[in-house]
Amino acid sequence: GQNIDQPTEMTATEGAIVQINCTYQTSGFNGLFWYQQHAGEAPTFLSYNVLDGLEEKGRFSSFLSRSKGYSYLLLKELQMKDSASYLCAVKDSNYQLIWGAGTKLIIKP
Amino acid sequence: IAGITQAPTSQILAAGRRMTLRCTQDMRHNAMYWYRQDLGLGLRLIHYSNTAGTTGKGEVPDGYSVSRANTDDFPLTLASAVPSQTSVYFCASSENSGEYNEQFFGPGTRLTVL
Repeated sequence: GQNIDQPTEMTATEGAIVQINCTYQTSGFNGLFWYQQHAGEAPTFLSYNVLDGLEEKGRFSSFLSRSKGYSYLLLKELQMKDSASYLCAVKDSNYQLIWGAGTKLIIKP
Repeated sequence: IAGITQAPTSQILAAGRRMTLRCTQDMRHNAMYWYRQDLGLGLRLIHYSNTAGTTGKGEVPDGYSVSRANTDDFPLTLASAVPSQTSVYFCASSENSGEYNEQFFGPGTRLTVL
């Protein structure tokens, strides 16, 4: 079966750095996506990785290791507005997204 | 319209009733998707359409049907609603269905079936 695992909840302090991990087992791999979802709202796109390595986009970076079936999202200089759920999703061999359950990130002052 | 719209925003429905959730996008995207999101579970694909005139089944298609008569609209119909279909439903679209193609999401419809 196909499986995406990420921690259910994490807590971090404003101004700090947090790393959210995602491991996956899917039938085929055509890229890994990270989305942000604030409570009661729709998911919005954050990043995409298809090759191994780090992709940096402002305060957010995403890393991929295809051989390990592993990715992480790194958030720097945390702000209160970063409190949200972060969803990891993998595009499988049928080009369909398989989604993790999401990691709820709580930012404390 | 900018992006994707969904209607209604929320709905309470009696079991056994028929219901159509509407989704419209103005980005001229070829691919469209319907997901349901339940607490503790990831988004699950119900049905998808890679281009106007074609549709396909996702992970959880039972009890749902879709149509794609044109590029912009992708309605989802529950023929006879059951309480297990209580969920938040998101419509999404992407330019195409290939590798990169990020998906853009509508605001969602919160459906309660009693």
